Amino acid sequence: QVKLVESGGGVVQPGRSLRLSCAASGFTFSSYGMHWVRQAPGKGLEWVAVISYDGSNKYYADSVKGRFTISRDNSKNTLYLQMNSLRTEDTAVYYCAKDTRTIIGVVIPCSNWGQGTLVTVSS
Amino acid sequence: DIQMTQSPSSLSASVGDRVTITCRASQGISNYLAWFQQKPGKAPKSLIYAASSLQSGVPSKFSGSGSGTDFTLTISNLQPEDFATYYCQQYNSYPLTFGGGTKVEIK
Repeated sequence: QVKLVESGGGVVQPGRSLRLSCAASGFTFSSYGMHWVRQAPGKGLEWVAVISYDGSNKYYADSVKGRFTISRDNSKNTLYLQMNSLRTEDTAVYYCAKDTRTIIGVVIPCSNWGQGTLVTVSS
Repeated sequence: DIQMTQSPSSLSASVGDRVTITCRASQGISNYLAWFQQKPGKAPKSLIYAASSLQSGVPSKFSGSGSGTDFTLTISNLQPEDFATYYCQQYNSYPLTFGGGTKVEIK
């Protein structure tokens, strides 16, 4: 079955960097687009970024553009989120999520989710 | 960016009730609309995609409808395990955007 396990969260000072990882198993990782979605404490869901199955296409939320970079290593079945110039407002649980496809090939984003990793940006 | 507005932000209901949550997009998104359920301390779970198609394993008590800008999620025969927060999401275009959430609480 699909399994997504995030890691790399922790407490970091404003302006510093952190890299999150998402280890995938139970499916052909190299065939699916992957997302990062975050949730600030007590708040709703905020989509962060997406990367295509082969890494050739990436899109970002305006709130992280220029500071965060999504990437993937299909040989390691792992998704990454490099977070630079962190701000207190980046404090959140970060989830990775997997696309899926219908029988006729229609892409459905964020069909499977990991359990999340907490990032706290504080001095 | 496409804004997604959910209503109500919270509601109280009793076991056995039927509830309806609405989601409105700031511009037309065809049927590129998904619904998620999230319980406290847990990751979201995908319930519905393409506005009305159930994800595998999701019980038929959940149903979705709508197209264009207006969408609804209906939950029939509410059970204790259905009390959670529900989010809509548009995937017509990037950036993907979520509604603010609807918390379904026990009356």
